[in-house]
Amino acid sequence: SQQGEEDPQALSIQEGENATMNCSYKTSINNLQWYRQNSGRGLVHLILIRSNEREKHSGRLRVTLDTSKKSSSLLITASRAADTASYFCATPLKEYGNKLVFGAGTILRVKS
Amino acid sequence: DVKVTQSSRYLVKRTGEKVFLECVQDMDHENMFWYRQDPGLGLRLIYFSYDVKMKEKGDIPEGYSVSREKKERFSLILESASTNQTSMYLCASSLFSITLMNTEAFFGQGTRLTVV
Repeated sequence: SQQGEEDPQALSIQEGENATMNCSYKTSINNLQWYRQNSGRGLVHLILIRSNEREKHSGRLRVTLDTSKKSSSLLITASRAADTASYFCATPLKEYGNKLVFGAGTILRVKS
Repeated sequence: DVKVTQSSRYLVKRTGEKVFLECVQDMDHENMFWYRQDPGLGLRLIYFSYDVKMKEKGDIPEGYSVSREKKERFSLILESASTNQTSMYLCASSLFSITLMNTEAFFGQGTRLTVV
């Protein structure tokens, strides 16, 4: 079963534009994490937001969390061609201890 | 720098073979995970471990087993490889936190396994 569901499945934008990806989840969480994966490689952690936080920034990344709607969004501002990758949200499931569950991901393509 | 190292980048095995995928982390992390990744399906959790000799089934454990004899090493075993186990396999580790349960996970580079 997948906890996180990313939306959209794929996104294509021009360099310099902003990219927004959404993640919805089903059960209660104590944190939500976003990861990036370049083609054929392992995932790289981008940002972690705790359940008692509403917004977090890291460089050009902005993550919001709405626990009442069980959703999160990742905004990448002023996108670059190097941002082309797949983006995943992940949640540790509270009732399953340390189980870390990922969604299907959003494929982002930034055209130069 | 945290390092999670998977023993092979590419692997080709025959149907019916017993296959071992090895993963080693160097940061004394309690949690270790094995995922498989297939197009359109994202990462699916096969098994995870939160301590030496402890293991928990993930969402798709059938046809797989794991071993964690030492804290730094987590092995995935395909008992009898089949063509539907052709996939990208990703290992990850993370530090346990009582408040966060899982902190950020660090991933290996992946093993692309082909079963012929």
